[in-house]
Amino acid sequence: EAGVAQSPRYKIIEKRQSVAFWCNPISGHATLYWYQQILGQGPKLLIQFQNNGVVDDSQLPKDRFSAERLKGVDSTLKIQPAKLEDSAVYLCASSPGTKDYEQYFGPGTRLTVT
Amino acid sequence: GEDVEQSLFLSVREGDSSVINCTYTDSSSTYLYWYKQEPGAGLQLLTYIFSNMDMKQDQRLTVLLNKKDKHLSLRIADTQTGDSAIYFCAESNYGQNFVFGPGTRLSVLP
Repeated sequence: EAGVAQSPRYKIIEKRQSVAFWCNPISGHATLYWYQQILGQGPKLLIQFQNNGVVDDSQLPKDRFSAERLKGVDSTLKIQPAKLEDSAVYLCASSPGTKDYEQYFGPGTRLTVT
Repeated sequence: GEDVEQSLFLSVREGDSSVINCTYTDSSSTYLYWYKQEPGAGLQLLTYIFSNMDMKQDQRLTVLLNKKDKHLSLRIADTQTGDSAIYFCAESNYGQNFVFGPGTRLSVLP
């Protein structure tokens, strides 16, 4: 079974630029999560999708961050414009959405904003 | 908001047992998880426990839950150098409102 795929793995941009991250979840997983992990901290949930609907986006900075999940499969997370404090690893996870709600994480995208 | 706390560092000798502790504040948490993160990698689910259980054992891993004190622990028996990593405690309410702790960096000394 293929795992959660993310791209790119690394991205360096200047502040005020835009950036987008892509995630392909495990086939058949209904629930998809985006997390922000700042160096030395635990992951912080940004947004949770169930199929293509948003379940929770309470911690998403909506003035600059947006996310979508087309057709309930792949998802993109966008930052526009980026700030220095957005430097972090952005993790995508997926879950079957049933049973014990186990999450399977992708390798992450490391974003550096200069 | 809800909070999960962990001690930041733990150092043990190879072959000894490791115990990583976690406290949480959300009394409505239904599932509690332990994840492992190795350098440059995503998080790997190690084990989890449902809130109506006190203990769960899975090979070298033992999870203890004290729901009254909102305390969770992970015991790793016969710790090996390959167990060196950051361990995260997390909670959710039926797959929603996931909150992670800051992680405990486990160093295993030869």
